[in-house]
Amino acid sequence: AQTVTQSQPEMSVQEAETVTLSCTYDTSESDYYLFWYKQPPSRQMILVIRQEAYKQQNATENRFSVNFQKAAKSFSLKISDSQLGDAAMYFCAYIDYGGSQGNLIFGKGTKLSVKP
Amino acid sequence: DTEVTQTPKHLVMGMTNKKSLKCEQHMGHRAMYWYKQKAKKPPELMFVYSYEKLSINESVPSRFSPECPNSSLLNLHLHALQPEDSALYLCASSQDFRARDSPYNEQFFGPGTRLTVL
Repeated sequence: AQTVTQSQPEMSVQEAETVTLSCTYDTSESDYYLFWYKQPPSRQMILVIRQEAYKQQNATENRFSVNFQKAAKSFSLKISDSQLGDAAMYFCAYIDYGGSQGNLIFGKGTKLSVKP
Repeated sequence: DTEVTQTPKHLVMGMTNKKSLKCEQHMGHRAMYWYKQKAKKPPELMFVYSYEKLSINESVPSRFSPECPNSSLLNLHLHALQPEDSALYLCASSQDFRARDSPYNEQFFGPGTRLTVL
């Protein structure tokens, strides 16, 4: 069965600094997608960034970028120039159309705090 | 419009009450989802509707009854709930379900309904 692991329950970063959140996953599929979702205290889940497994180039969205290592099954999120509004729960998620039948599989989440 | 709306925002109900949660999207998405989320935990999938038909029921107790009256609307009917059912209930939608092309599988989430069962 596919699994997603986030080994850092909590992280903290100083405003304007850079932080990296870790995510590893386990799958036997070759075709899948990976996501990072952000859930602020206001609770709405927002998609931060998406990575297609067949693409070698790492995805970037403004201050957010990923380090996708397919062989190592690793998908970390880097937040540059951290802002107070980045404080939230971050969930790594996986989807494929084989074993998981198209369902999103979430990691347990990392709570990010941003210090002014 | 890339918004999924949910009503009500908060709901308190007794174990004998009947209530409903409502979710709406106007993005033309054909897949809609209900998730249950406990504090500090990831969302757990409950139901998936694809083209207005129930595609997945993740062994959810019958006291939760989903309904998809049309492609824009998703309801969750609640009856005889237990205190352990208290949670944040999230609705999401995507263009398609089990679609292999990336843009079609992105899920957009609503703000959720905070449910408390007394």
